[in-house]
Amino acid sequence: GQQLNQSPQSMFIQEGEDVSMNCTSSSIFNTWLWYKQDPGEGPVLLIALYKAGELTSNGRLTAQFGITRKDSFLNISASIPSDVGIYFCAGRQGAQKLVFGQGTRLTINP
Amino acid sequence: SAVISQKPSRDICQRGTSLTIQCQVDSQVTMMFWYRQQPGQSLTLIATANQGSEATYESGFVIDKFPISRPNLTFSTLTVSNMSPEDSSIYLCSVETGATEAFFGQGTRLTVV
Repeated sequence: GQQLNQSPQSMFIQEGEDVSMNCTSSSIFNTWLWYKQDPGEGPVLLIALYKAGELTSNGRLTAQFGITRKDSFLNISASIPSDVGIYFCAGRQGAQKLVFGQGTRLTINP
Repeated sequence: SAVISQKPSRDICQRGTSLTIQCQVDSQVTMMFWYRQQPGQSLTLIATANQGSEATYESGFVIDKFPISRPNLTFSTLTVSNMSPEDSSIYLCSVETGATEAFFGQGTRLTVV
């Protein structure tokens, strides 16, 4: 089936640093979603993107829908300890089911 | 958005037994979804549960192993039947609004011993 390639798989950073992660696909998507999952919890929606080239912010988070419609990135600025968790991208073609990336595990050293 | 409550939040079960997971949504939704998240892995769709019809299962998942009920527009259950240690996972209920954004329950962490 369809797959999303999410990278990096893990990141170890210092508090205060900026973070960047991305997802790529061989197929075109018309919706990109970014989620964060804390230990013992379900994924929580961070940002939703619906249009090629769209750049959307949510506090210190910024996500973009790639112009080719085959990729998306998520940036976190000035990371803080509560940013620790696993970040997932998800894409959708039309009304088809969501496809998820493998996740990026973010660890922050204080 | 939607508020989704899942029960139980975790359980430890003996192999060969079955566990039923409940999902309650605070609003009426047409479609509900059940996902499995194996340790350290991403989310895999098990099935789509529509009210008034049989669930639609993804490749690799069958009704005998994962029977689903959807008695009304705010509630669904997933049963994990005849469990083995390989069924140890997080099981997540999800709903979608406007066929775009998906929201998840807190998950049920299942350990089979």
